[in-house]
Amino acid sequence: EADIYQTPRYLVIGTGKKITLECSQTMGHDKMYWYQQDPGMELHLIHYSYGVNSTEKGDLSSESTVSRIRTEHFPLTLESARPSHTSQYLCASSESALVNEQYFGPGTRLTVT
Amino acid sequence: GQQVMQIPQYQHVQEGEDFTTYCNSSTTLSNIQWYKQRPGGHPVFLIQLVKSGEVKKQKRLTFQFGEAKKNSSLHITATQTTDVGTYFCAVGSSNTGKLIFGQGTTLQVKP
Repeated sequence: EADIYQTPRYLVIGTGKKITLECSQTMGHDKMYWYQQDPGMELHLIHYSYGVNSTEKGDLSSESTVSRIRTEHFPLTLESARPSHTSQYLCASSESALVNEQYFGPGTRLTVT
Repeated sequence: GQQVMQIPQYQHVQEGEDFTTYCNSSTTLSNIQWYKQRPGGHPVFLIQLVKSGEVKKQKRLTFQFGEAKKNSSLHITATQTTDVGTYFCAVGSSNTGKLIFGQGTTLQVKP
């Protein structure tokens, strides 16, 4: 079982609030990713990181931001939550090889009212 | 950018029947991965295929990579209720290592 954690698991928050979704992994993986997934739909990459101080935007435009100050930690922040941000956010990590299997965290289900 | 089309979107089968999901691309793929996501859960890696015509088996699951490396399939023999979930194919970019996921096939199994 992969050691990748996300908190909170569920979050209901009002419009305009600032939120941070936490993601940590204990596997020493350099690569980390954030995906957004609506129920029953495909995963869309919104951010990724190849290592400390490296962050890139993914294929799906997102108003969120990320940081990678430590290898094991890859938090995602929304400065001002809106109902359109309601979704599931999945964090993943993989080893440094060019294409490798990704290990997913349990996800955070975000609802913005 | 690279895209993969996955069909069917949904499949309902009777327990014991077989199931197949297909992943197709208009361009040659360097590799393909398959993931399973249980209802309410997160994707879990199943397998990666990299060679033309490759066939791999995991118990009742058979994975194939086409000769032209433009398509792949996942076949489940004699489905069980534990097979319920959404199966995704994903293509890794040879330049960046990022994964592009297919739309997924949701499998329902009637006991």
